[in-house]
Amino acid sequence: GAGVSQSPSNKVTEKGKDVELRCDPISGHTALYWYRQSLGQGLEFLIYFQGNSAPDKSGLPSDRFSAERTGGSVSTLTIQRTQQEDSAVYLCASSLVDLAAQETQYFGPGTRLLVL
Amino acid sequence: DAKTTQPTSMDCAEGRAANLPCNHSTISGNEYVYWYRQIHSQGPQYIIHGLKNNETNEMASLIITEDRKSSTLILPHATLRDTAVYYCIVRWFNDYKLSFGAGTTVTVRA
Repeated sequence: GAGVSQSPSNKVTEKGKDVELRCDPISGHTALYWYRQSLGQGLEFLIYFQGNSAPDKSGLPSDRFSAERTGGSVSTLTIQRTQQEDSAVYLCASSLVDLAAQETQYFGPGTRLLVL
Repeated sequence: DAKTTQPTSMDCAEGRAANLPCNHSTISGNEYVYWYRQIHSQGPQYIIHGLKNNETNEMASLIITEDRKSSTLILPHATLRDTAVYYCIVRWFNDYKLSFGAGTTVTVRA
């Protein structure tokens, strides 16, 4: 079936502009995650949505970052007043929540953001 | 979470088995071993996971030592498309914040 999709695949913006990144999770997956990966860096957790529970926003680096998930499906990550250090690959993942075991996360292809 | 140690890089001949080691000597009883890979310019891809038993799926096999302090990911017949960075991680069953280290850069050569 269809995997996690993200759009746009690439985004170039000017410093100070706002950007919106979109994620379409796998159908039926109740959990959704945002990460970012900077050049040569590891994976950095940003935010986690699970069903109707309050999201875990503990990984958001500043109040310029926000995310929402509408209708329990599509999610949008918004970065306001972008800075050059925001340049990175933003990855979205989704998973089924299995009470008995693990949540295997399936990733999208990412959005490559470049802030000039 | 327990930390993992992987070789920085390794080469493998196309058609041969690729054996990727991972040390996780401080793993606790409730932590699983997970493997992901990331092909250049793509998102991470789940490969396999296990707790203590060996596991096999259509992509790979996971061999976990009896003391659970190390494991080996086996790609049975490596192809050029298996060239990627492979990440071994350990995580609690309910820890949803994935974190990757440097991983092993695997290059499959014709």
